[in-house]
Amino acid sequence: TQLLEQSPQFLSIQEGENLTVYCNSSSVFSSLQWYRQEPGEGPVLLVTVVTGGEVKKLKRLTFQFGDARKDSSLHITAAQPGDTGLYLCASSAGAGKSTFGDGTTLTVKP
Amino acid sequence: GAGVSQTPSNKVTEKGKYVELRCDPISGHTALYWYRQSLGQGPEFLIYFQGTGAADDSGLPNDRFFAVRPEGSVSTLKIQRTERGDSAVYLCASSLDATSNTEAFFGQGTRLTVV
Repeated sequence: TQLLEQSPQFLSIQEGENLTVYCNSSSVFSSLQWYRQEPGEGPVLLVTVVTGGEVKKLKRLTFQFGDARKDSSLHITAAQPGDTGLYLCASSAGAGKSTFGDGTTLTVKP
Repeated sequence: GAGVSQTPSNKVTEKGKYVELRCDPISGHTALYWYRQSLGQGPEFLIYFQGTGAADDSGLPNDRFFAVRPEGSVSTLKIQRTERGDSAVYLCASSLDATSNTEAFFGQGTRLTVV
């Protein structure tokens, strides 16, 4: 089973600051998903990256997939309180099931 | 409904009791997944169904856990002789099919507390 390590575990910043969170594995990802989860809700898919070196943007969020497909980062520009949540990365473990990291809990203070 | 629906949203039960957790997937989704999320951790895969059959149950922790999906739509996760360590949020997800990059949509989860 592929193990995913996410860092930092917790991050607390002020509104307007930039931040980057990371997802790493010792083995190659076939594909990688980033999710955001709010308290009392299930995870919601933000993006899927497949190709090494791929960069995807979703408004103020930039997702990067490492060239070797063993790591990924999520950068948020000018964070807002609405960005608060648990950010999870996940890799495909075959036939639709996923292996998740333990997430980064982000708090953006107004 | 528009999304994946899970009931109940909260369940408190006594140690040793039997519980059933229900998942109503998005209409037309053939694949259905159960995950368990403990406090401070990411979701952990339990089982997935393609249609009515359990295609992969490798994540079920022991034989106290069982899940069914008799008509290929609603699924029920059943836990016998509950233990305090079973306390967690149980998440259900569904997708159009089970290919690797098909988006899975999650329900809001059932928070199970065993006292």
